Amino acid sequence: SQKIEQNSEALNIQEGKTATLTCNYTNYSPAYLQWYRQDPGRGPVFLLLIRENEKEKRKERLKVTFDTTLKQSLFHITASQPADSATYLCAPGGGANNLFFGTGTRLTVIP
Amino acid sequence: NAGVTQTPKFRILKIGQSMTLQCTQDMNHNYMYWYRQDPGMGLKLIYYSVGAGITDKGEVPNGYNVSRSTTEDFPLRLELAAPSQTSVYFCASRTGIRDKESRGNTIYFGEGSWLTVV
Repeated sequence: SQKIEQNSEALNIQEGKTATLTCNYTNYSPAYLQWYRQDPGRGPVFLLLIRENEKEKRKERLKVTFDTTLKQSLFHITASQPADSATYLCAPGGGANNLFFGTGTRLTVIP
Repeated sequence: NAGVTQTPKFRILKIGQSMTLQCTQDMNHNYMYWYRQDPGMGLKLIYYSVGAGITDKGEVPNGYNVSRSTTEDFPLRLELAAPSQTSVYFCASRTGIRDKESRGNTIYFGEGSWLTVV
């Protein structure tokens, strides 16, 4: 069965450093992979989508990579700020009408 | 633009009671989803729909039912509520339209419905 794993439940980093979150998937051949942000008590919000033919995608301080050979996506937040503290979810997709999410990584940026 | 609207926001149910969580979207999206999220856990897909009149089971459909009589509405019915159904429920939608930027795959979530079964 399909499985999506995100590197750790929680990640603490110092303000100004780069946060790197990992998403690994098995028994999947996604055409794209999405990253979402979820704040406590709120619904997830879309951040970035990267397609299988793209190696890297950037949006302001965010960078996503997608390695279909390793079956892995990395999500980077550079110059992290306390406001970046949230849970980040990955969702590989494509080829099916349903969409599954990883368990998420809770990021805390310490001032 | 309201997006995806869920009601109620909070509800306490007694074991064995039934209720319906309402979800409506005003973006004319074809695809709609219901997820549940237990404390500290990820999102689990309950049911989804690719258009009016079409529904399909997700990962955890037992104890739930859905219907999709219109494009806008996708209610989730809980029959005979059990403590295991205590969770936060999220409704979501996307267009599903294929475009170069894959924007049709972006999912828009509602704000959630907190359900406690006692």
